[in-house]
Amino acid sequence: EVQLVESGGGLVQPGGSLRLSCAASGFTFSAYAMHWVRQAPGKGLEYVTAISSNGGSTYYANANSVKGRFTISRDNSKNTLYLQMGSLRAEDTAVYYCARGYCSSISCRQDYWGQGTLVTVSS
Amino acid sequence: DVQMTQSPSSLSASVGDRVTITCQASQDINNYVNWYQQKPGKAPKVLIYGASNLETGVPSRFSGSGSGTDFTFTISSLQPEDIATYYCQQYDNLPYTFGQGTKLEIK
Repeated sequence: EVQLVESGGGLVQPGGSLRLSCAASGFTFSAYAMHWVRQAPGKGLEYVTAISSNGGSTYYANANSVKGRFTISRDNSKNTLYLQMGSLRAEDTAVYYCARGYCSSISCRQDYWGQGTLVTVSS
Repeated sequence: DVQMTQSPSSLSASVGDRVTITCQASQDINNYVNWYQQKPGKAPKVLIYGASNLETGVPSRFSGSGSGTDFTFTISSLQPEDIATYYCQQYDNLPYTFGQGTKLEIK
């Protein structure tokens, strides 16, 4: 059974840092790209960042200005995805989901999601 | 970034009704659209991929269509368990942007 379990969320002050983890099991982690998607309280889904299966390529969304503040990484030997978040702002407050990226000949989609971890940025 | 404009933002319908949600992309994205369902307090779940392909295990009352810039998601006969928020997502270009969501309620 595919499982993704996020951890590391919590309350952090503006300007602070936090590292989220996503522990994967039930599939060959090193064969899949992985994504982080966030959702502010009462709001919609917002795509944040992605990393290729071997970690060689990363992508950060521009619209939410996480580039330069957030870093996605992975440790395939530990089946774990990470999101290092720095210079946190109130607008980064959200539930952060990790998701597996599955691509076939006709589609790319996030087919399995974790339960999410809440990050609250507040003084 | 590709913008996905989804409508309506909310919808109230009766059990058994046919429900339609639309999504318009800011540029041609072929048929590279997914549709997700999110129930309160839960992670999203993919229902439709490639604009019209039903994910394994998803009831056949859900369907999708469209290509280019205009896409439609339909529930042929609304069931009580379909109460959720629905999102379109394009995967033609990173970032894989989402629509604003449609909150579906039972009348």
